[in-house]
Amino acid sequence: DAKTTQPPSMDCAEGRAANLPCNHSTISGNEYVYWYRQIHSQGPQYIIHGLKNNETNEMASLIITEDRKSSTLILPHATLRDTAVYYCIVRSLGTGKLIFGQGTTLQVKP
Amino acid sequence: NAGVTQTPKFQVLKTGQSMTLQCAQDMNHNSMYWYRQDPGMGLRLIYYSASEGTTDKGEVPNGYNVSRLNKREFSLRLESAAPSQTSVYFCASIAGGVSGNQPQHFGDGTRLSIL
Repeated sequence: DAKTTQPPSMDCAEGRAANLPCNHSTISGNEYVYWYRQIHSQGPQYIIHGLKNNETNEMASLIITEDRKSSTLILPHATLRDTAVYYCIVRSLGTGKLIFGQGTTLQVKP
Repeated sequence: NAGVTQTPKFQVLKTGQSMTLQCAQDMNHNSMYWYRQDPGMGLRLIYYSASEGTTDKGEVPNGYNVSRLNKREFSLRLESAAPSQTSVYFCASIAGGVSGNQPQHFGDGTRLSIL
């Protein structure tokens, strides 16, 4: 199973873009990258996922490098409610299981 | 549409007691998963069920059993609870098969303390 590496914590000013990096150098060619977040120990909330093209939805954008060894989650206009732990996950093929690391704690400050 | 529902939300047990954590989803999803989360850590997979009638072990299956009762329900049983099983337990489900790319949807968790 491919592992991911994220910085343990980041700060962001309210209203600014939050850019959360993730390294996944051992990702296989057909494995997807998923991003989830967890607020106050609630159940993880799905944000976005992608294979090799950049993706955008109503919550965020996902930028995946051409070699697929790293990606960046972008929250375009962070709010205080975006304060959470953000997990970058490469989903295991065949089982669909998600291998969680320790994630990045994003603190959005006024 | 409730999504993934877990019961109970909180439970305190004594060492050696047994209990079953319930999970039900109303999204007609094929695959279901049980994770545990210890303080300051990410989630770890206990068991999963790729489809009705099948179950498989995850990373940390020891001390647990599961039952995929039907397509909607996937229960997790602790036969003889131990303090090391104090954790928050999350159930998740996913549309399509395990080899697809649909995201998992999580319940709000069961907070279990074993004294």
